[in-house]
Order: sequence, then structure tokens, then C-alpha cells
Amino acid sequence: DAGVIQSPRHEVTEMGQEVTLRCKPISGHNSLFWYRQTMMRGLELLIYFNNNVPIDDSGMPEDRFSAKMPNASFSTLKIQPSEPRDSAVYFCASRRGGGGNTIYFGEGSWLTVV
Amino acid sequence: AQRVTQPEKLLSVFKGAPVELKCNYSYSGSPELFWYVQYSRQRLQLLLRHISRESIKGFTADLNKGETSFHLKKPFAQEEDSAMYYCALRDGQNFVFGPGTRLSVLP
Repeated sequence: DAGVIQSPRHEVTEMGQEVTLRCKPISGHNSLFWYRQTMMRGLELLIYFNNNVPIDDSGMPEDRFSAKMPNASFSTLKIQPSEPRDSAVYFCASRRGGGGNTIYFGEGSWLTVV
Repeated sequence: AQRVTQPEKLLSVFKGAPVELKCNYSYSGSPELFWYVQYSRQRLQLLLRHISRESIKGFTADLNKGETSFHLKKPFAQEEDSAMYYCALRDGQNFVFGPGTRLSVLP
């Protein structure tokens, strides 16, 4: 398996533009997570899905952020409109259900909003 | 609320010295704990999990329920161990991560 696949790997955009980050989880995994990583705040959980259903979105910063998982093999994280403080690395991760199973991360999407 | 703390933001040791990265947790049930490592500009990857009781790259971690700790140890640090280390706790289907400790192994 290629692991969790994220795109784009790097994006530079202007303030006010819409940003869409994409994630393909590992096949057979039924939980998907979106994390944001910054120097100041470390690794923050934004939202996670189980069987394509959002379970906990309490980490989503504000209404500018939205996430969807239309099927088991695809998820998006959208920021509209983007702001410079959204600059961060956004990680997607997935996990197969059951005890003892760990979470696997993608390589991250490096977002810079200027 | 479930919580993971890592008191040290940065830990510097010399090559060959022992290293211990601290992790404490608060959890109402029976915890499942993990250590993740992130090398420079790479993805987070699993280092070890407490249920496996394994040693990976010379690292070990023992769950101490009395002290609610899961410290990561290595007797002789290597320069290639320099990375960001995250302690994590599984809470149902969610994973709660600590703030991370940056380990710098000096030559």
C-alpha cells in the first residue's frame, strides 16, 4: 500500500483565496483524521471521521474551515477564505478500527498564505 | 478530559549519553499509549506502542500506571535520533497527542 496520500504537498496562496487539501486514506481503514501542525501550537486535531461520518469537529478553528468525506477513499479539507494565520502543515491520517491499531500519517500539505 | 503532557519542549544530549523523554497522561480508563517520531520535514511515524512491549531503534518505553507515565528511553543516543517525538494516547477512535519534545543529539 502506498500509505496515506495527500495533495498538494506544497501550496502558496494569497489571503482570501480558497484552499482545498485532499487526502486518500489507506485502503481498508475506516477512521480518518485531519491535523494541523504549527511551531506555536504543535499538533492539533481538527476533525476526524469514522466510516465517512464526522465524529468530532470541535477542533475546527472557525467557520472558514470545512471538511468532507464523500466516500471511504477520499476526504477534503477546505479553507475559505484563507488567512495568513492558517499557514501550517496539514496532516491527514487514517486508522483501521479495532484495539491496538495505530494511526498512519500522510506526508502533509505545507500551506503558506501570504 | 484525556490529556497528554510532555514537559520538555527541547532536550539536548551528547552522542552516547542516555536519553529520557518524559510523557505523562490523564485517562479514566485503561490507556493505550504510543510514541511517534517525526524526522526533519517528514511525516509522523510510529516508533513504538506500549502493548507491544518492543524495542525499536534502541528505544523502550514502559507504562507506569501508578505514575501515569510512559517515558521514552534510550541508553546511548545517536545523532540520527535527532527528531521531534510525540507521545500519544488512544481515546476511543481518537488519538490525543502531546505537544512534542524536540530531541537534539550533539556530536
